[in-house]
Amino acid sequence: KQEVTQIPAALSVPEGENLVLNCSFTDSAIYNLQWFRQDPGKGLTSLLLIQSSQREQTSGRLNASLDKSSGRSTLYIAASQPGDSATYLCAVNSGNTPLVFGKGTRLSVIA
Amino acid sequence: NAGVTQTPKFQVLKTGQSMTLQCAQDMNHNSMYWYRQDPGMGLRLIYYSASEGTTDKGEVPNGYNVSRLNKREFSLRLESAAPSQTSVYFCASRDVWTGELFFGEGSRLTVL
Repeated sequence: KQEVTQIPAALSVPEGENLVLNCSFTDSAIYNLQWFRQDPGKGLTSLLLIQSSQREQTSGRLNASLDKSSGRSTLYIAASQPGDSATYLCAVNSGNTPLVFGKGTRLSVIA
Repeated sequence: NAGVTQTPKFQVLKTGQSMTLQCAQDMNHNSMYWYRQDPGMGLRLIYYSASEGTTDKGEVPNGYNVSRLNKREFSLRLESAAPSQTSVYFCASRDVWTGELFFGEGSRLTVL
């Protein structure tokens, strides 16, 4: 059974710092991995989707990498801003079964 | 550009009452999902529908029923609400070609 873990559960950084959020999964037989952002009281917004054949995806200040063999993905946020404060979740797609989610990392960027 | 639309956004019920959460997507996706989100528990899958006419149980189906009315709509029904069903409910749909999942804004349900 696929399990997804995100460490740390919470992270606080000063504005301007570059940071890395981690996501690990137990079964490397995945189709893709998706990173989401969730603001308090809101739904989940898709940030990046990495297919299993890809090593990384970039969108603006965000870069997500995928290492299937080690069961890990990282979300790199460059030059963090207070507006980046949110909970970040990763989810793994292992085929026609529903995605498996981590519990998220709650990020606070302090001005 | 509506995406996934859920109604209602907020609801307060008394124990034993019934209600239906509605979800519709306009992206022509085959797969649709209902999740609940509780503090410390993360997202948990209640039911899903891989295609029109099919539904399957997820991790926490007890106390819920679903109907895939057509390709666009997937409803979640609580027949006899319990305080343990107080939660935020999210509907989602998935693009079969890319695997990308899209969420609605959520429905906050309180059962007294």
